[in-house]
Amino acid sequence: SQTIHQWPATLVQPVGSPLSLECTVEGTSNPNLYWYRQAAGRGLQLLFYSVGIGQISSEVPQNLSASRPQDRQFILSSKKLLLSDSGFYLCALWTGRNTEAFFGQGTRLTVV
Amino acid sequence: DQQVKQNSPSLSVQEGRISILNCDYTNSMFDYFLWYKKYPAEGPTFLISISSIKDKNEDGRFTVFLNKSAKHLSLHIVPSQPGDSAVYFCAATVTSGTYKYIFGTGTRLKVLA
Repeated sequence: SQTIHQWPATLVQPVGSPLSLECTVEGTSNPNLYWYRQAAGRGLQLLFYSVGIGQISSEVPQNLSASRPQDRQFILSSKKLLLSDSGFYLCALWTGRNTEAFFGQGTRLTVV
Repeated sequence: DQQVKQNSPSLSVQEGRISILNCDYTNSMFDYFLWYKKYPAEGPTFLISISSIKDKNEDGRFTVFLNKSAKHLSLHIVPSQPGDSAVYFCAATVTSGTYKYIFGTGTRLKVLA
């Protein structure tokens, strides 16, 4: 079965610093990969999704970017963090064999 | 533009009673709907789903109902247990596309012992 690894679990970063969150998956090939954010008092907002290596679709204009350098690696980045980037970031995948998406354990990012 | 809406941010139910969580959507292209359960500081876990060709799907204590004409779905939990206390998200997707999952804002369910 598929496994999603996200790290770190928690992160505290100062405003203006860069960000790199990594998500790697195991047990599946060529999955769709997604980055979601859960901000305080808000639902799960889809930030980016990728259907393959180098293919990134952005859902909302923002201070973040994503890359997929390998089939099983999905990276969320920022050059300069804002306070509003604080939230719980979740990586998810869809294997194509089922209809549900599977989520990683998330990264709690606090920008101070 | 919130395509999937959960208008009740919280719900409290007595143990053993029925919990009903509601979800509305606006995009008529959605053809598959899912419910996820989420505990604090963890990723959501898949609970139950329903295709738009059905109006009901049942799995143990969990039943999802879909009313396409009203663009409304609901999750029934019977009987509710304290371990069901969590945030519940509904989600929708278009299965002929890129399987982009759009989530609602969530409902926090508290089951009182």
